[in-house]
Amino acid sequence: GDSVTQMEGPVTLSEEACLTINCTYTATGYPSLFWYVQYPGEGLQLLLKATKADDKGSNKGFEATYRKETTSFHLEKGSVQVSDSAVYFCALSDRYSTLTFGKGTMLLVSP
Amino acid sequence: DSGVTQTPKHLITATGQRVTLRCSPRSGDLSVYWYQQSLDQGLQFLIQYYNGEERAKGNILERFSAQQFPDLHSELNLSSLELGDSALYFCASSSMDREPYGYTFGSGTRLTVV
Repeated sequence: GDSVTQMEGPVTLSEEACLTINCTYTATGYPSLFWYVQYPGEGLQLLLKATKADDKGSNKGFEATYRKETTSFHLEKGSVQVSDSAVYFCALSDRYSTLTFGKGTMLLVSP
Repeated sequence: DSGVTQTPKHLITATGQRVTLRCSPRSGDLSVYWYQQSLDQGLQFLIQYYNGEERAKGNILERFSAQQFPDLHSELNLSSLELGDSALYFCASSSMDREPYGYTFGSGTRLTVV
């Protein structure tokens, strides 16, 4: 079945450092790919998405490119802030539109 | 406020009991999804309803059931509760049946079984 693999956390960075969170997937067909963010005590919020190969999703300084050849959708940000501290989930959707999530990666940014 | 309302926010109950979790989707959304989030299993898809009909089923136990009512709110019923059912239960909604143009998640119900 479909699956998503994310790098394990926590990822600990200083403010203004560069961020990369790796995500690879296994799926039949051509899934849509997503990054969701979960702040403490809250539900998941859609951060960005890409629906076909070579699409780049971006939002709030975060970017991810749908790479079909490497089945990857890595999340990147050039300069992180303390307020970016959260858990980040990579996900894919199948043709029935249900989301399959990775296990999540916690990001901790210190001043 | 995401527009998806889940009640209650917290629930503490004993093993063997039955509870009902409620979800009101964002206005205009016809699809409702239920997910379970636990430390060991991560986020697991349980079940999806679209406009009152079951659309897809995931890793939902037989002790669990759900339904979506004509006003589109949904309830997740958990019975014969076990310690291992302690988790965060999220509801999400979307406007589309198939292509997900972004789910909107509620803030979850934290269930603790003692």
